[in-house]
Amino acid sequence: AQSVAQPEDQVNVAEGNPLTVKCTYSVSGNPYLFWYVQYPNRGLQFLLKYITGDNLVKGSYGFEAEFNKSQTSFHLKKPSALVSDSALYFCAVRERATGGGNKLTFGTGTQLKVEL
Amino acid sequence: GAVVSQHPSRVICKSGTSVKIECRSLDFQATTMFWYRQFPKQSLMLMATSNEGSKATYEQGVEKDKFLINHASLTLSTLTVTSAHPEDSSFYICSARDWGGNTEAFFGQGTRLTVV
Repeated sequence: AQSVAQPEDQVNVAEGNPLTVKCTYSVSGNPYLFWYVQYPNRGLQFLLKYITGDNLVKGSYGFEAEFNKSQTSFHLKKPSALVSDSALYFCAVRERATGGGNKLTFGTGTQLKVEL
Repeated sequence: GAVVSQHPSRVICKSGTSVKIECRSLDFQATTMFWYRQFPKQSLMLMATSNEGSKATYEQGVEKDKFLINHASLTLSTLTVTSAHPEDSSFYICSARDWGGNTEAFFGQGTRLTVV
């Protein structure tokens, strides 16, 4: 079974400071990893993904994430936070193997609050 | 990225009535769509996987007679909440993958259902 853990319910950061939203995962095989962002009463917007290749993945709105296989982590980062980044962030995993299923497993979400 | 449109975005219905939610892939064909339910400040719970031209696959604990899913074409899946009750009030989100090559799923805008 696959699972995702987001250990922080909420992350607070001052505008202009770097931000990190943590995610660790568990799958039996190789993972596809994703980050999504959700604004109030909206669906999820895709931010970035790790499939294979470079461990540092760059995505939308200046976000990036680093895949660390030994630590089974995929933390989301941004060098300089904006107030408009305040939202709910979800990490998700899907097993890469053929027949491993198409289901995404989501973490519980981390509320990011960026303050002036 | 690919676009998934969900309608309506918000609906209020009386207890005992049925409500239909539509999920359309606008610029790609989706043989598989997914229906999620999200409770306040919680993660997404997969309800069912909708397969074009065949029966949906429901997750454990989800009543198939309560949540009817129809995936009659490659671009449209519908979720009907039958004989709705106040406890069915929730945020429902659909997603689809573009099997043409993208590995990430794209999400609809979500539907806020309130049963009074």
